[in-house]
Amino acid sequence: GNSVTQMEGPVTLSEEAFLTINCTYTATGYPSLFWYVQYPGEGLQLLLKATKADDKGSNKGFEATYRKETTSFHLEKGSVQVSDSAVYFCALSDLGGAGGTSYGKLTFGQGTILTVHP
Amino acid sequence: DTGVSQNPRHKITKRGQNVTFRCDPISEHNRLYWYRQTLGQGPEFLTYFQNEAQLEKSRLLSDRFSAERPKGSFSTLEIQRTEQGDSAMYLCASGPAYQETQYFGPGTRLLVL
Repeated sequence: GNSVTQMEGPVTLSEEAFLTINCTYTATGYPSLFWYVQYPGEGLQLLLKATKADDKGSNKGFEATYRKETTSFHLEKGSVQVSDSAVYFCALSDLGGAGGTSYGKLTFGQGTILTVHP
Repeated sequence: DTGVSQNPRHKITKRGQNVTFRCDPISEHNRLYWYRQTLGQGPEFLTYFQNEAQLEKSRLLSDRFSAERPKGSFSTLEIQRTEQGDSAMYLCASGPAYQETQYFGPGTRLLVL
């Protein structure tokens, strides 16, 4: 079945540091890939997505590139802020992606807690 | 855009009681999903609806769980004879037809004593 593996957390950084959160996946077919973020006390929000190999998703200074050859979708940000402190989830959608016509459930990684200090 | 809403936000119940949660999706979305999230884990899929049809159920959804979406609008998730292991955050998400993105509600946190 489908699975998503995220790097172990928590991650603690100083403001303006470079961020990488690793994500690898196992799936059949051509999944779409997502990063969701959960700020303290709030619901899950879509951060970015990519629907096919070599696509780059980006939003709010965060980027992730869909690497089919390494089955990875690592999240990066060049300079983190205190306000980026949150839990980050990598996820894939089954039956989605280029050529897909139906969109089903999301499979999530376990989440990575990011804390950014001033 | 009012977003996905869920009620109640918190529920404390005693083991063996029944509980029901409600989800109101974004109005034009015909796809609706339920997930369960335990502490320190990512959400796990429970079930999803396209309009009023329940298209898929996870093996996590035991016989004590039932979900409905009458008339393809709001949805309810009922847990009968609750157990302490049912304590979790229950998340609802909705999405439009033929789009992958799902929009999540704030969740209902259940504590079974």
